[in-house]
Amino acid sequence: KQEVTQIPAALSVPEGENLVLNCSFTDSAIYNLQWFRQDPGKGLTSLLLIQSSQREQTSGRLNASLDKSSGRSTLYIAASQPGDSATYLCAAQTGANNLFFGTGTRLTVIP
Amino acid sequence: ETGVTQTPRHLVMGMTNKKSLKCEQHLGHNAMYWYKQSAKKPLELMFVYNFKEQTENNSVPSRFSPECPNSSHLFLHLHTLQPEDSALYLCASSQEGTGPDEQFFGPGTRLTVL
Repeated sequence: KQEVTQIPAALSVPEGENLVLNCSFTDSAIYNLQWFRQDPGKGLTSLLLIQSSQREQTSGRLNASLDKSSGRSTLYIAASQPGDSATYLCAAQTGANNLFFGTGTRLTVIP
Repeated sequence: ETGVTQTPRHLVMGMTNKKSLKCEQHLGHNAMYWYKQSAKKPLELMFVYNFKEQTENNSVPSRFSPECPNSSHLFLHLHTLQPEDSALYLCASSQEGTGPDEQFFGPGTRLTVL
């Protein structure tokens, strides 16, 4: 069974810093890897989806990379802002309905 | 309304109550999902419906009963729940559940069982 791990569980950075969130998965046979943002008590907002054939995806200040062979993905956030404070979840899809989630990294950006 | 909506957003119920959660998607998708998110645990897939047919039941206790009357609506009927069932229940949809589609999530229902 796919297991997804996110380290660290929590991260605090001062505003303006660049940061990297890590995601690792045990089964490299994935279709895609997705990053989500979740605000407290709210649903998930999709940020980036990387297909298994891709190495990275970019959206604004966000860049996600994927290394299937090593079972790792990173989410890079440039010039962090207080509004980026949220929990970031990664999920690896191994089948039609099989989306395996990590427990998330709770990010706090300090003004 | 756009995207995936869920009602109610918050629900408090006793262990003997019967209640229902509702999910509606406005994306023209054919697959809908129920997930459970408990504190400090990864999201757990509960049920999957493709074209109104249930295609996955992830060993969910029978006190949770899903219903999918059409491709746009999904319900989760709750009966005789336990306090450990308190969690955030998230609904999602995707274009077609037969392939690895991107899933779009609703805002969730925060359920508290007393």
